[in-house]
Amino acid sequence: QSALTQPASVSGSPGQSITISCTGTSSDVGSYHLVSWYQQHPGSAPKLIIYEVTKRPSGLSRRFSGSKSGNVASLTISGLQTEDEADYYCCSYRGSNIYVFGSGTKVTVL
Amino acid sequence: QVQLVQSGAEVRKPGSSVKVSCKTTGGTFNTYTITWVRQAPGRGLEWMGGVIPHFGRPTYAQKFRGRVTMTTVASTTTAYMDLNSLKSEDTAVYYCAAGVPGTEYFSFWGQGTLVTVSS
Repeated sequence: QSALTQPASVSGSPGQSITISCTGTSSDVGSYHLVSWYQQHPGSAPKLIIYEVTKRPSGLSRRFSGSKSGNVASLTISGLQTEDEADYYCCSYRGSNIYVFGSGTKVTVL
Repeated sequence: QVQLVQSGAEVRKPGSSVKVSCKTTGGTFNTYTITWVRQAPGRGLEWMGGVIPHFGRPTYAQKFRGRVTMTTVASTTTAYMDLNSLKSEDTAVYYCAAGVPGTEYFSFWGQGTLVTVSS
């Protein structure tokens, strides 16, 4: 069960927008509207930031948004802030109660 | 609000087994999906499997089938992940996570348990 493909790193200056891609297949990302995204700061547990492709948990900043086209899901962070510097992981449902995570993307705020 | 508290760090020798616990509070234990995810040092997240306590039948990632057992005890609202035939490559932080009933994402996470496999 191969991981979903994400860029290893993405960087941006404060205030800019960045987008992280998450490439899967027709068996996971392409078949289900069930992609979630997690933010992980060093030494901490992951935190849910996007679910069901586009939805944000209550209280989460609107600067985080998600989308999907075909087999590729994307996470956009607008108005980049220093506290956004973290690792980000996508996750997709793959059917039959199976899930797969992405390879992870390190976001650096320049 | 659901909270998950995991057991402490473990050190094991190759070939042995380890059992990590995940105590949950808040919510309705039997209806949440309890998922286990691991993260090797400097590596990404890896989904290992999950179980809904009410149904009791876990689903495991193919990579771990035959080596992992995920169980739950409703009376203590605790989930367990048992991994045997340990190898050095199993050295990782193991997380439990809970999903709201009927959803396919992981809303709540434990703090993680470091398992070190070394001779």
